[in-house]
Amino acid sequence: DGGITQSPKYLFRKEGQNVTLSCEQNLNHDAMYWYRQDPGQGLRLIYYSQIVNDFQKGDIAEGYSVSREKKESFPLTVTSAQKNPTAFYLCASSIDESRQEMGYTFGSGTRLTVV
Amino acid sequence: AQSVTQLGSHVSVSEGALVLLRCNYSSSVPPYLFWYVQYPNQGLQLLLKYTSAATLVKGINGFEAEFKKSETSFHLTKPSAHMSDAAEYFCAVIVEYGNKLVFGAGTILRVKS
Repeated sequence: DGGITQSPKYLFRKEGQNVTLSCEQNLNHDAMYWYRQDPGQGLRLIYYSQIVNDFQKGDIAEGYSVSREKKESFPLTVTSAQKNPTAFYLCASSIDESRQEMGYTFGSGTRLTVV
Repeated sequence: AQSVTQLGSHVSVSEGALVLLRCNYSSSVPPYLFWYVQYPNQGLQLLLKYTSAATLVKGINGFEAEFKKSETSFHLTKPSAHMSDAAEYFCAVIVEYGNKLVFGAGTILRVKS
């Protein structure tokens, strides 16, 4: 079955550490996205990528970095510069930018906690 | 820029009662509108979407939504709530080519037995 796989499901980070969240899709989608979810704030866009080797900042990119070396993969690194990283992180994909009416497919999320 | 407002961060209904979750959008052009559902510690699942075809859209699990341009609304309804409907619901909008999906703050639905 096609879908998006996020790993790990739960992640604990010590202050000052960088951590990387994995996102893999086998839907053959061109576009991929990272969202951060906090209670009562909905989903906020961190980074997105429309094609391989290209990505753009979203609304809250500070303290995060991404790469898009393969179509299937869009890992997110939460750096030590992110002051409040504890949140639920969701990865999504869409066919391509010209087919926005198709909506997004989401992974099951990674819950990151700073300890 | 497009935006979405969900009225009511928490809604509580009795099992078997009507579910009504409100969503209003702001846009100067016809939008694409979506409702997603999220169960605890899970990703988002698409319930239904409006893409300028029929204004009354039917989705999964017995949910439907009606696009009302005059009211800039896209409220989600279900005639009879079930315990399994308890979850968080998000309304989202895209209006222009190249723009990204923008979400409302979400509404947590509680179903009482």
